[in-house]
Amino acid sequence: ETGVTQTPRHLVMGMTNKKSLKCEQHLGHNAMYWYKQSAKKPLELMFVYNFKEQTENNSVPSRFSPECPNSSHLFLHLHTLQPEDSALYLCASSQSLAIGSTDTQYFGPGTRLTVL
Amino acid sequence: QQQVKQSPQSLIVQKGGISIINCAYENTAFDYFPWYQQFPGKGPALLIAIRPDVSEKKEGRFTISFNKSAKQFSLHIMDSQPGDSATYFCAARGGNFNKFYFGSGTKLNVKP
Repeated sequence: ETGVTQTPRHLVMGMTNKKSLKCEQHLGHNAMYWYKQSAKKPLELMFVYNFKEQTENNSVPSRFSPECPNSSHLFLHLHTLQPEDSALYLCASSQSLAIGSTDTQYFGPGTRLTVL
Repeated sequence: QQQVKQSPQSLIVQKGGISIINCAYENTAFDYFPWYQQFPGKGPALLIAIRPDVSEKKEGRFTISFNKSAKQFSLHIMDSQPGDSATYFCAARGGNFNKFYFGSGTKLNVKP
């Protein structure tokens, strides 16, 4: 778990607030991911970054804004969220996105977000 | 469209029993199949993984069985223990952009 850290672990915010989630990986990986985990649903991939460049945005609403200043840090900026955005937000990293690569993803502990 | 289908959604097993979780996939371009274990309040952690060139992989009490022709794979937990109680996710990686696709999860409860 210490390979990928996330802060804060819990966050309660109103619909008009602006907050940010932070992820840091200490594994020397080049790819980082944001996932949303809701009860009884598959993990939903939100964003993918490879070498600091965004390679995927899975039709995520613009009220979620990612930022990747370097390969070790990933942020998710939140503004004007809706109650249905309440979920566990997981960050993950992997060595690369190279085709044929079978390196796995390592997950952080997640941020439990509640939108009131 | 869900790329990886997982069943059952929940499973109750007695201590010492065998827990079996099944997954099915459609995309034949998938070439890596990991299983993750997630405890409450934690992120998913890699448990065991297999590539399609083998039909079985065993690590301790955990075994993946892989059926390439049926496009199915399963996790078997032998001698299940209460400490195994967690949510288990199967996943598949491959295809365009080498993405990961996750199953919906199975909540396992091993009763003492």
